[in-house]
Amino acid sequence: GAVVSQHPSWVICKSGTSVKIECRSLDFQATTMFWYRQFPKQSLMLMATSNEGSKATYEQGVEKDKFLINHASLTLSTLTVTSAHPEDSSFYICSAKTGGGEAFFGQGTRLTVV
Amino acid sequence: GESVGLHLPTLSVQEGDNSIINCAYSNSASDYFIWYKQESGKGPQFIIDIRSNMDKRQGQRVTVLLNKTVKHLSLQIAATQPGDSAVYFCAENGGSTLGRLYFGRGTQLTVWP
Repeated sequence: GAVVSQHPSWVICKSGTSVKIECRSLDFQATTMFWYRQFPKQSLMLMATSNEGSKATYEQGVEKDKFLINHASLTLSTLTVTSAHPEDSSFYICSAKTGGGEAFFGQGTRLTVV
Repeated sequence: GESVGLHLPTLSVQEGDNSIINCAYSNSASDYFIWYKQESGKGPQFIIDIRSNMDKRQGQRVTVLLNKTVKHLSLQIAATQPGDSAVYFCAENGGSTLGRLYFGRGTQLTVWP
């Protein structure tokens, strides 16, 4: 299957700082990528749809100024958690959609805000 | 978001037995469903999918059944192995063709040797 890579796999940051997470499709081009958030023992929650060359579409209740998404190329989308706080600590997962419509997931990024 | 739920949060089975994981969804517009396996600390791994024009689809050791009348789908794993231990999620598209997926609560499957 197609490969989607996230970087970093885990990150610890101080409260008030910003953190950038990268999502790359390694062997295919993805015009659309998706960002999810997962708290421990809970399900994945769709945060936003990242569209190459245009603004991201956020799900209801997700603060777009808090979670900045940039999809600058067909293989890279970034999620920046701005002014992070401990409640932002979570597992962030991206997926990328192939031309055939199937979505492949990255390995996730564990964010801990201290 | 869409409402997709699971009946059983945990399931324990003996190695070699068959496992059945259930999922209910509420959005009648959903026409594409996927089962994912997630191991601890990793991203979801695709298992099998099914479109609404089908009621059954089989893969290697796995079968997905879809009952649109009662908005229910299930994942059957044959001859369950310890390596199958993970959290299993169903996901549905809410009728969107854009690739958005809405996930259910998840079931923790534990396989005992």
